[in-house]
Amino acid sequence: DGGITQSPKYLFRKEGQNVTLSCEQNLNHDAMYWYRQDPGQGLRLIYYSQIVNDFQKGDIAEGYSVSREKKESFPLTVTSAQKNPTAFYLCASSVSGGLDIQYFGAGTRLSVL
Amino acid sequence: GDSVTQMEGPVTLSEEAFLTINCTYTATGYPSLFWYVQYPGEGLQLLLKATKADDKGSNKGFEATYRKETTSFHLEKGSVQVSDSAVYFCALSSNTGNQFYFGTGTSLTVIP
Repeated sequence: DGGITQSPKYLFRKEGQNVTLSCEQNLNHDAMYWYRQDPGQGLRLIYYSQIVNDFQKGDIAEGYSVSREKKESFPLTVTSAQKNPTAFYLCASSVSGGLDIQYFGAGTRLSVL
Repeated sequence: GDSVTQMEGPVTLSEEAFLTINCTYTATGYPSLFWYVQYPGEGLQLLLKATKADDKGSNKGFEATYRKETTSFHLEKGSVQVSDSAVYFCALSSNTGNQFYFGTGTSLTVIP
């Protein structure tokens, strides 16, 4: 089945620790996105990538980093600089960005120990 | 800039009631409009979309019409079921950029 796989489903971070969230897609989509969702709020864009080896900051990129070495993979690292990382993180992809439909993974819930 | 404003929830309805969730947008170009649904603990799923003015998107009994004159894309369903309980997000994608803009979501609970 084609789709987007996020792992792990739940993740815990200690103070001062970097953690990496995985996002893999087998839809052959060019564009990939990371969003953060806080309770009662909409989705806020962290980073997006329209092509391999290129990515752009979204609205709340501070304290996060990404890489796009392969078309199917777009991992997100939550660094120790992100002081309030507890949230639900959603990865999405689309054929080529712009007006295309975005398809979402099941999400990773990150909590701070 | 582009944005979406969605009616605040939570909304609680009895089974078979009529549902309306209001959504209005601001956009500089000619956006496409979407409704997504999120079930507890899951990602978002596309519910329906419309790509130009007067288009009607429909799926699973839900409908929404792209109204350029009122910059609206209200979600409606004639008879809700318990299984429709979820959070609904209105969104737009703009042809002037590469982003989606999401509303804050409306939580719907349908009681038997």
